[in-house]
Amino acid sequence: SQQGEEDPQALSIQEGENATMNCSYKTSINNLQWYRQNSGRGLVHLILIRSNEREKHSGRLRVTLDTSKKSSSLLITASRAADTASYFCAPYHYTGANSKLTFGKGITLSVRP
Amino acid sequence: GAVVSQHPSWVICKSGTSVKIECRSLDFQATTMFWYRQFPKQSLMLMATSNEGSKATYEQGVEKDKFLINHASLTLSTLTVTSAHPEDSSFYICSASIQGFMTDTQYFGPGTRLTVL
Repeated sequence: SQQGEEDPQALSIQEGENATMNCSYKTSINNLQWYRQNSGRGLVHLILIRSNEREKHSGRLRVTLDTSKKSSSLLITASRAADTASYFCAPYHYTGANSKLTFGKGITLSVRP
Repeated sequence: GAVVSQHPSWVICKSGTSVKIECRSLDFQATTMFWYRQFPKQSLMLMATSNEGSKATYEQGVEKDKFLINHASLTLSTLTVTSAHPEDSSFYICSASIQGFMTDTQYFGPGTRLTVL
């Protein structure tokens, strides 16, 4: 299965601190993506990192990918209360038409004001 | 850009009735749309993948006669939950990928909360 497994399951930090979330997967991938879901809402695409990339930045987000360890991490710097949400990683392996994303159980991030 | 809408955002129905959920790509053409369901504090479970003009591909364990999917145009896909029962109560989310691109980046709708009494 190419499902990602996020770690930890839950994370609680103080506003202003950094949040680090990890993802491991088992198969080869073309890219790995991170999504955010606010309570009761759909998913928002945060960032995509390709298999030939090691690190990528987008605003306060920093994603790393280690294909030798089949792992990725998402770092949110200077967290804000508005970052409180569930975060999912989704490894993607292109297998032809209808290739799909498979989501793990996610990480529940709580940022205390 | 790349906005996906769902309608309704929530629905309550009686057991035995059918409910239709619409998923629209508002500013792009979507060759492929995906339907997921999500239980509280759980991950998204892919139910089916639909391509415009063809039959949907259902994931193992998903009853295609119960969850009817129609993808009539490049901007609209519908999911009909037939003869709904309380165990069908869930959060249903659709997503769409842009025509001509790989399906790696999906744009998600806001979800539909279905409650079956």
